[in-house]
Amino acid sequence: EPEVTQTPSHQVTQMGQEVILRCVPISNHLYFYWYRQILGQKVEFLVSFYNNEISEKSEIFDDQFSVERPDGSNFTLKIRSTKLEDSAMYFCASSGEGLLNSPLHFGNGTRLTVT
Amino acid sequence: AQKVTQAQTEISVVEKEDVTLDCVYETRDTTYYLFWYKQPPSGELVFLIRRNSFDEQNEISGRYSWNFQKSTSSFNFTITASQVVDSAVYFCALRGGSQGNLIFGKGTKLSVKP
Repeated sequence: EPEVTQTPSHQVTQMGQEVILRCVPISNHLYFYWYRQILGQKVEFLVSFYNNEISEKSEIFDDQFSVERPDGSNFTLKIRSTKLEDSAMYFCASSGEGLLNSPLHFGNGTRLTVT
Repeated sequence: AQKVTQAQTEISVVEKEDVTLDCVYETRDTTYYLFWYKQPPSGELVFLIRRNSFDEQNEISGRYSWNFQKSTSSFNFTITASQVVDSAVYFCALRGGSQGNLIFGKGTKLSVKP
């Protein structure tokens, strides 16, 4: 069964450094998402992406965050200058056609640790 | 505003017991979708079920069943004859209106002891 893949599985970085989290969505999906989950807390929406542009973003997704689909397969989340509070599990997801009724298929996540 | 409430933070049961996980949602949309996801200790999010606002039929899949009641804005999840492998955090989520994103509840951590 096709799946969303994320790399790396764990990233450790120093405060102030830039990180790029990578995702390969399911190949025929059209909508892409980033979510994050601070340890032990709820899963929070960051941003959704469709047709090569951001379609929605949350308050969390401020100017230090950006997303890109640099080619036909990858979908990346960049954090320009990481802060301690950015430490979390970051999930990429994709969904197919039929915006509301298509379930989001999540990757296994990237655990980001900012020291 | 859209909101999902999972009032049960943690539940602990003994294997073979039945357990129900509660989910209450709020939305002003007439068309919306409800989802349940499972997050096992390994951390991934696994899609379990989707239900749309026009279909109040209950659904059963093996030991899993879901009870959707629009009148009480609830979408509860029951595991029959629980097993240790059911131990996980279970999230209820809502998607409605023109939004593509899912709004998650805080999750219920289920521990099934042998």
